[in-house]
Amino acid sequence: AQKVTQAQTEISVVEKEDVTLDCVYETRDTTYYLFWYKQPPSGELVFLIRRNSFDEQNEISGRYSWNFQKSTSSFNFTITASQVVDSAVYFCALSDSGNTPLVFGKGTRLSVIA
Amino acid sequence: EAGVAQSPRYKIIEKRQSVAFWCNPISGHATLYWYQQILGQGPKLLIQFQNNGVVDDSQLPKDRFSAERLKGVDSTLKIQPAKLEDSAVYLCASSQGTRRTGELFFGEGSRLTVL
Repeated sequence: AQKVTQAQTEISVVEKEDVTLDCVYETRDTTYYLFWYKQPPSGELVFLIRRNSFDEQNEISGRYSWNFQKSTSSFNFTITASQVVDSAVYFCALSDSGNTPLVFGKGTRLSVIA
Repeated sequence: EAGVAQSPRYKIIEKRQSVAFWCNPISGHATLYWYQQILGQGPKLLIQFQNNGVVDDSQLPKDRFSAERLKGVDSTLKIQPAKLEDSAVYLCASSQGTRRTGELFFGEGSRLTVL
């Protein structure tokens, strides 16, 4: 069975600090896809990144970076120099190449304080 | 490009009443999803449509929930009769392709409170 665990329920940081959101996943499939979504107070889930299981290269997009490690089944998300606008709930999600639906973690609520 | 539209944004009903939510996906998106997000949890898929056909409704409580996408565009999710545990945000999402590995675009959701 597929499972996504986001152990950090809430994180609070001061503006300009770096913060890492953890994501650990479980799947029996060798081909799968990992996602991060951001949910601001408005409620709309915003797609941030998709990574397939064959691509373990880390990715950087502006202040965002992702560290994918198959050996530890983790797909962690780091925000560098956090800003107040980064305050949101962040979800990690997993999808295999078959017919199971996208499985979300419970989310991590990030609060960035000015 | 217009995003996924949902209405109403908020609804309060008493248990055993009925409620309906509407979703209009992004133009041209063949696949439409309804997710249920209970407070403090991640979204859970209720039903997936490909055009006007159902692809996956395995997690839809069919004794009280129903959904349709008659013309392959907009969709309606109905709950009848509602229970207290149905209090949640109902999110609609759409995607261009059929594979669940693609990017999903979400609406702002419809928040349901059942008293």
